Amino acid sequence: AQSVTQLDSQVPVFEEAPVELRCNYSSSVSVYLFWYVQYPNQGLQLLLKYLSGSTLVKGINGFEAEFNKSQTSFHLRKPSVHISDTAEYFCAVSEGGSQGNLIFGKGTKLSVKP
Amino acid sequence: EAQVTQNPRYLITVTGKKLTVTCSQNMNHEYMSWYRQDPGLGLRQIYYSMNVEVTDKGDVPEGYKVSRKEKRNFPLILESPSPNQTSLYFCASSRAPLFYEQYFGPGTRLTVT
Repeated sequence: AQSVTQLDSQVPVFEEAPVELRCNYSSSVSVYLFWYVQYPNQGLQLLLKYLSGSTLVKGINGFEAEFNKSQTSFHLRKPSVHISDTAEYFCAVSEGGSQGNLIFGKGTKLSVKP
Repeated sequence: EAQVTQNPRYLITVTGKKLTVTCSQNMNHEYMSWYRQDPGLGLRQIYYSMNVEVTDKGDVPEGYKVSRKEKRNFPLILESPSPNQTSLYFCASSRAPLFYEQYFGPGTRLTVT
């Protein structure tokens, strides 16, 4: 069965520093990968997704992620963070050939300090 | 404006008192889903609906019911709430679950005493 592991529950970082939020998944079939962001007291919104093609995908707000099939990873990166990036980030997977329901990781809280 | 709405946003109730959380979307989406979010556990799927009249259990369906009589609405029913159902609940919708973005409602914070 597929599962998603977000390796860090909390990531503190200073403003303008780079950040990487790590995500690993387990699946024996083709997968579709997503990163969602949840700002305080709000619902989730899509940052970016990988369906096929180029393994480097770019999303909103300057975020990007790289799909690495051999390492079963989909890490999220941003070269320079802002205070406004403070939020919780969720990696999610849906599996080819399934109903397509999303399996979410437990989330990573990114805290950007001035 | 394309959106998913949920009501109520906040609810405090007592054990055993039936309640319904409504969810509505205006994007003509086929797929709708309910999740609960608990600290340290991420989002877990309660029920989903592939289209009108077709619903199925997610990972944590115990204690919940749903119905999908119209495409736009997908209410979540707690027939006899218990304190372990205290959580933050999200409704989401999508054109289809596999490739397309899911759009989330603002959440309903439920406390059962």
